[in-house]
Amino acid sequence: ILNVEQSPQSLHVQEGDSTNFTCSFPSSNFYALHWYRWETAKSPEALFVMTLNGDEKKKGRISATLNTKEGYSYLYIKGSQPEDSATYLCALLNAGNNRKLIWGLGTSLAVNP
Amino acid sequence: NAGVTQTPKFQVLKTGQSMTLQCAQDMNHNSMYWYRQDPGMGLRLIYYSASEGTTDKGEVPNGYNVSRLNKREFSLRLESAAPSQTSVYFCASSRSTGELFFGEGSRLTVL
Repeated sequence: ILNVEQSPQSLHVQEGDSTNFTCSFPSSNFYALHWYRWETAKSPEALFVMTLNGDEKKKGRISATLNTKEGYSYLYIKGSQPEDSATYLCALLNAGNNRKLIWGLGTSLAVNP
Repeated sequence: NAGVTQTPKFQVLKTGQSMTLQCAQDMNHNSMYWYRQDPGMGLRLIYYSASEGTTDKGEVPNGYNVSRLNKREFSLRLESAAPSQTSVYFCASSRSTGELFFGEGSRLTVL
């Protein structure tokens, strides 16, 4: 059974703080890693799709890194704002013929003004 | 572009009733998916369709059927609803192994 684990489960930070969370996955089954942001009462929106070891992607104040050899990805938010409050999901797209997304349970971020 | 549109947004059913959740995408994506989301469980794949004319079971297919009517539309049917199917259902589409685009979700309650 393939497991994608995210930590921490939840996080409270003050406006202006920088923060980061972790997504861990089995490195032997890697094809791609997805990051999504899921705001309350909305649907998940894609942030990044990462495929290469050492990859680093950035969108505004949010960036992500990928280590496929050790099986982890970090998501960083610089200078958190209240509108960053959301659940951040990662999902592993596994290698092989039967390719599927395997979802983590997410990190819930609350940014206090 | 509307993206991914799913209907209805809310539905209450009695045990044993049937219903169909409709999903349509206007992005010319090949792949479409139905997920359910329950507290503490994360997103679980019910069925997916890699291309028009094909459908495959996901992690939790029991109690559901799907139809990929054409490239745009992918419906999810509950033939005889059970309280365990109370959930929020999300339809999504993607090009192939690319990012998923989600609909707004359908909240289903089975009494």
